Amino acid sequence: AQSVTQLGSHVSVSEGALVLLRCNYSSSVPPYLFWYVQYPNQGLQLLLKYTTGATLVKGINGFEAEFKKSETSFHLTKPSAHMSDAAEYFCAVSGPYTGYSTLTFGKGTMLLVSP
Amino acid sequence: EAGVTQSPTHLIKTRGQQATLRCSPISGHTSVYWYQQALGLGLQFLLWYDEGEERNRGNFPPRFSGRQFPNYSSELNVNALELEDSALYLCASSLSEENTIYFGEGSWLTVV
Repeated sequence: AQSVTQLGSHVSVSEGALVLLRCNYSSSVPPYLFWYVQYPNQGLQLLLKYTTGATLVKGINGFEAEFKKSETSFHLTKPSAHMSDAAEYFCAVSGPYTGYSTLTFGKGTMLLVSP
Repeated sequence: EAGVTQSPTHLIKTRGQQATLRCSPISGHTSVYWYQQALGLGLQFLLWYDEGEERNRGNFPPRFSGRQFPNYSSELNVNALELEDSALYLCASSLSEENTIYFGEGSWLTVV
C-alpha cells in the first residue's frame, strides 16, 4: 500500500522568501513521486516528477524537489516565492509495478504568498 | 496540442438523478483516469480505462461507472445521485507505457 503525508495544510510565506512544502511517502516498492499544483477553479498541473536517476528534480516555474530515500521524503522548494505561486500543491506517489492508477495523493498544502 | 478536455464544466442535478461527465484525452493517449475531489476528502481515485477496458477502480460503489470509447474518450456515469457526490470530477490521461498523468480542468457536479 502507498500513502502520502503532506505536513501543513497551509503554508504562508512572503514574496521573495523561500518556499518549502513537505511531503513524506510510504511505499512498499520503489516509488514514482510527483508534485502537482492546482490554481483556483482549475485542474491539476504537473510541476515535476521523480522516477529513477538523479534525485534532485527540477520542474516548471522554478520549483525543484529532492528524493531522499532514507528519509522517505520528497520536499518541494523554490528559492524565491512569487505572488503567482499562491495555489494548492499536491504530492503524489505511484508504483512502477502496480500501475499508475495507484497514484495516491496527499491532502494538499495551500501556499499563501503575501506582499 | 490540446490537453485533456472535459465537459460539462458545471452540472447541477437533483438527488436520485443520473449524471454523465465526458472526457477527451490528449491525442495519442490511450489511458484515461477519473478522480473525485470532494471537499474535505482530497483526491480519490475512481476509475482507470485503457484500450477500452476498465483496468482498475477505486473504493466507490457500483453506481459510479463509466466506459471508454474506441477513440479513447471516456464518460463517467453516476447513478442515483446523493448529496455527497457533489465534487469536482477530474479526468486525466497518459500514454500506456508512460508514467505521467495529465489532468483536465474538471467538471463540477452539484447535487441538490
